Amino acid sequence: NAGVTQTPKFQVLKTGQSMTLQCAQDMNHNSMYWYRQDPGMGLRLIYYSASEGTTDKGEVPNGYNVSRLNKREFSLRLESAAPSQTSVYFCASTKQGNTEAFFGQGTRLTVV
Amino acid sequence: EDQVTQSPEALRLQEGESSSLNCSYTVSGLRGLFWYRQDPGKGPEFLFTLYSAGEEKEKERLKATLTKKESFLHITAPKPEDSATYLCAVQAMYGNNRLAFGKGNQVVVIP
Repeated sequence: NAGVTQTPKFQVLKTGQSMTLQCAQDMNHNSMYWYRQDPGMGLRLIYYSASEGTTDKGEVPNGYNVSRLNKREFSLRLESAAPSQTSVYFCASTKQGNTEAFFGQGTRLTVV
Repeated sequence: EDQVTQSPEALRLQEGESSSLNCSYTVSGLRGLFWYRQDPGKGPEFLFTLYSAGEEKEKERLKATLTKKESFLHITAPKPEDSATYLCAVQAMYGNNRLAFGKGNQVVVIP
């Protein structure tokens, strides 16, 4: 049972480059989330998808876009990467809104 | 705005030395308070959910409690494998089900 799978695990980008972070869950969960984790800041919500076909902004959405491709997959896109987007990105999913979240292993992104 | 403050930021314990971690929160109606464990280089791993004041949950050497303003994670007779960062998060009753996380308690248990 894989749970939540994120790809890639590591990535280095140059300023201005674009990339998409992929996330897939095999638990038939309805809701999916993208967080970033920075030292001293805790986990902050970027975007979330309460159910297939819907997406909403979180605390720190600027510079990002998302796509809920189907019930399993939720991708995060950086259109023009900036050094301020250097972070560890986590995807998570929940069965319902008030149940525990399951997290992926994270993507460590460095923008130079 | 929902806020979560965890203390202490870092804690070093001798093996067997029990201690408690604090999570203070402000939220406009609590739907749930969550505790997670995070190991270096890994994603957070779910430990407990608490829904109402007075509720307690236990798992091995860990026990979580909840009041109207704070939650405690008690670690009894810790072992080196309990070394991790413990994250607290709250979910408000109204809104979009988002979790507001604290910055974490980094625990190191020395053999």
